[in-house]
Amino acid sequence: GNSVTQMEGPVTLSEEAFLTINCTYTATGYPSLFWYVQYPGEGLQLLLKATKADDKGSNKGFEATYRKETTSFHLEKGSVQVSDSAVYFCALSDRGSGYSTLTFGKGTMLLVSP
Amino acid sequence: NAGVTQTPKFQVLKTGQSMTLQCAQDMNHEYMSWYRQDPGMGLRLIHYSVGAGITDQGEVPNGYNVSRSTTEDFPLRLLSAAPSQTSVYFCASSPLGGLSYEQYFGPGTRLTVT
Repeated sequence: GNSVTQMEGPVTLSEEAFLTINCTYTATGYPSLFWYVQYPGEGLQLLLKATKADDKGSNKGFEATYRKETTSFHLEKGSVQVSDSAVYFCALSDRGSGYSTLTFGKGTMLLVSP
Repeated sequence: NAGVTQTPKFQVLKTGQSMTLQCAQDMNHEYMSWYRQDPGMGLRLIHYSVGAGITDQGEVPNGYNVSRSTTEDFPLRLLSAAPSQTSVYFCASSPLGGLSYEQYFGPGTRLTVT
């Protein structure tokens, strides 16, 4: 079956530091890959996505590249801000079934201090 | 356009009580789903639906029932609440088909069963 593994947190950084959150996946088909972000007390919001190998998703300074050879989709940002403090979820969807079912990683909490 | 709405925001139940968590979307999405979020577990799929009259089980369906009589609404019923069902519940919707499979999440319902 499908699965997503992401690094455990919390990740604690100072403002303007470089961020990497690792994500690897196992899938039987050709999944689409996503990063969702959850701010305190809120639901999940899509941060970025990639639908095929070598695609790079980007949004709000965050980037992630779909690497089929290493089955990875690591999230990066060059300079984090306090407002980036949130929980980040890596997820995949199984296109093979034709449905929109998402498989999530366990989430990584990011804490950014001034 | 309200997106995905969920009611109530908070609920406390006693063991054995029943209740219905409401979810509605105004984007005419075919696909709707329910997840539960527990610390260290990420989001796990409870039930999903690909259209009115069609529902199916996800990863953790036991203790929950769903029905889909309209495109807009997808209520989740707890027939006899148990402390193990203490969690945050999220409803999500998306169009069917296409490459992106982006899901839109509601703000969540925090349920405590005592």
